[in-house]
Amino acid sequence: AQTVTQSQPEMSVQEAETVTLSCTYDTSESDYYLFWYKQPPSRQMILVIRQEAYKQQNATENRFSVNFQKAAKSFSLKISDSQLGDAAMYFCAYRSARGSRDDKIIFGKGTRLHILP
Amino acid sequence: EAGVTQFPSHSVIEKGQTVTLRCDPISGHDNLYWYRRVMGKEIKFLLHFVKESKQDESGMPNNRFLAERTGGTYSTLKVQPAELEDSGVYFCASSSFGYDQPQHFGDGTRLSIL
Repeated sequence: AQTVTQSQPEMSVQEAETVTLSCTYDTSESDYYLFWYKQPPSRQMILVIRQEAYKQQNATENRFSVNFQKAAKSFSLKISDSQLGDAAMYFCAYRSARGSRDDKIIFGKGTRLHILP
Repeated sequence: EAGVTQFPSHSVIEKGQTVTLRCDPISGHDNLYWYRRVMGKEIKFLLHFVKESKQDESGMPNNRFLAERTGGTYSTLKVQPAELEDSGVYFCASSSFGYDQPQHFGDGTRLSIL
């Protein structure tokens, strides 16, 4: 069974600084997707960034980028120029690429990120 | 386009009572998923509907939980009778038909069992 581990329950970063959230996962599959979701205090979970396992290039979305190390099964999220609006719970997640018969998302426990003004 | 809507946003009931949660997916989305997060633990998958059929219900914890999606539109998740360990946040997500479609999440329903 696949598992996702986030070892940092909470983190804090000064506004405008850079922060990296860690995530490791375990799977025997070769093709899958990895995600970072953000859940602000308003509670709606939003997809921040997505990585396809077959792509070697790290995904980037504006100030958000990932460091995907497939062999090490590591998938960290880097937030550059942190803003107050980045304060949220961040979930690392995994989904098989086997298609619609098995497309449930497997989540880590989350990392609560605080932005210090 | 309206997002995934869940109702109620918060429910407080006593142990042994029944509660029904509702999810309205994005219009036209065939896939509907239920997840829940028990305090301090991971968000865990409960089940997946494709239209009105249960595609995967491997995450349903026990037979006190009943999910339905009549007509392939909105879905309900009933807990009967509720137990203390059922407290948590229940999320619904939907996605359109087709390979590799993203799941869109609702705000969740916070369920508190006293």
